Amino acid sequence: GENVEQHPSTLSVQEGDSAVIKCTYSDSASNYFPWYKQELGKGPQLIIDIRSNVGEKKDQRIAVTLNKTAKHFSLHITETQPEDSAVYFCAASPGSGGSYIPTFGRGTSLIVHP
Amino acid sequence: ETGVTQSPTHLIKTRGQQVTLRCSSQSGHNTVSWYQQALGQGPQFIFQYYREEENGRGNFPPRFSGLQFPNYSSELNVNALELDDSALYLCASSLKTGSGIQYFGAGTRLSVL
Repeated sequence: GENVEQHPSTLSVQEGDSAVIKCTYSDSASNYFPWYKQELGKGPQLIIDIRSNVGEKKDQRIAVTLNKTAKHFSLHITETQPEDSAVYFCAASPGSGGSYIPTFGRGTSLIVHP
Repeated sequence: ETGVTQSPTHLIKTRGQQVTLRCSSQSGHNTVSWYQQALGQGPQFIFQYYREEENGRGNFPPRFSGLQFPNYSSELNVNALELDDSALYLCASSLKTGSGIQYFGAGTRLSVL
């Protein structure tokens, strides 16, 4: 089955700095890569996703890159703000027609200091 | 808010007991997935239901079972509770013929004593 490794486990930055979280996956059949943000007491919330036919995707301060050859993908957050503080999870999933069952990484606790 | 609601929010059980957790899908979604999230870990896939039938299962024993109803709401049942079953149980709904994006509820925190 799929195995997703995520680094670092904890990331501490100053407000305004950039943050980068990296993930690797093992199953070459994976073609969908979502990123989730989980705040305390809440369920994971999708913040951005990328599919295997795209190398990069950006949404305001958030961007994700995908290297299929190396089987790794990364989340980039620019101009971090205190409200970005949360746990971030990467995931990888094979599938088609909506039958996605993602395998999650262990999470990165991002702390943004004001 | 995702529109996915789970009940109860917290639950305390003792070892050996049985528990039922409930999930109401986002309107229009026909697929429900259940995950177990241990403290400090990512969500682990338990199973997925589509149109009232199991559509995939993770590495969980048979004492974890589920149901999906005609209105696409769902239940997760766990028999013979063990201490290691203490976790946050998450439900996620999606549209099978859509993008596959899963929308999560806030979860049920289960403590087994």
